[in-house]
Amino acid sequence: ETGVTQTPRHLVMGMTNKKSLKCEQHLGHNAMYWYKQSAKKPLELMFVYSLEERVENNSVPSRFSPECPNSSHLFLHLHTLQPEDSALYLCASSQYLGSQPQHFGDGTRLSIL
Amino acid sequence: DQQVKQNSPSLSVQEGRISILNCDYTNSMFDYFLWYKKYPAEGPTFLISISSIKDKNEDGRFTVFLNKSAKHLSLHIVPSQPGDSAVYFCAASAQGGSQGNLIFGKGTKLSVKP
Repeated sequence: ETGVTQTPRHLVMGMTNKKSLKCEQHLGHNAMYWYKQSAKKPLELMFVYSLEERVENNSVPSRFSPECPNSSHLFLHLHTLQPEDSALYLCASSQYLGSQPQHFGDGTRLSIL
Repeated sequence: DQQVKQNSPSLSVQEGRISILNCDYTNSMFDYFLWYKKYPAEGPTFLISISSIKDKNEDGRFTVFLNKSAKHLSLHIVPSQPGDSAVYFCAASAQGGSQGNLIFGKGTKLSVKP
């Protein structure tokens, strides 16, 4: 499915680096989400945006900083990450806030050295 | 504490037979349930869903059953095909006043052997 596109697919970074993950949806949806999937754990919701406004921040550390410049694009800015932040980061979108199903991108596999 | 539990990390089934994947939940506010399928190196793909006002929903080879009193749902795949081999995630949401939160289980890896 190419409705939700995430770049890069893989990212290796040091703890002092700054990088950004990008998500773009071509579905005309109004809500976008960031999830984290760590090994042996369920997907965990990180952030929710509706019409470019953040509506949910699930106690995520400030070293993760989301940005939603418009309803089609979502970024996750990363800085001074820790090794335990190594995970698969998934972006999703839905037609509007709370509607189902959510449509997922293929994720960015992040490794922190 | 996990609100959505998939207690079987893996399941192996012979091609042509039925696959049954199980999911339990603890939050009685959940009123909408979804199953996602995930292949390696791809994101989860929506498979089938069910509202709490129903106890069964069917789509081709896939049927989801919901037992509200037991807080249990299951996904039946029949007949199973090798292409069904993937990780299956159960997810739940509470629609009323929802912020779009989906609560996921850890997943069950299904292997369908030819």
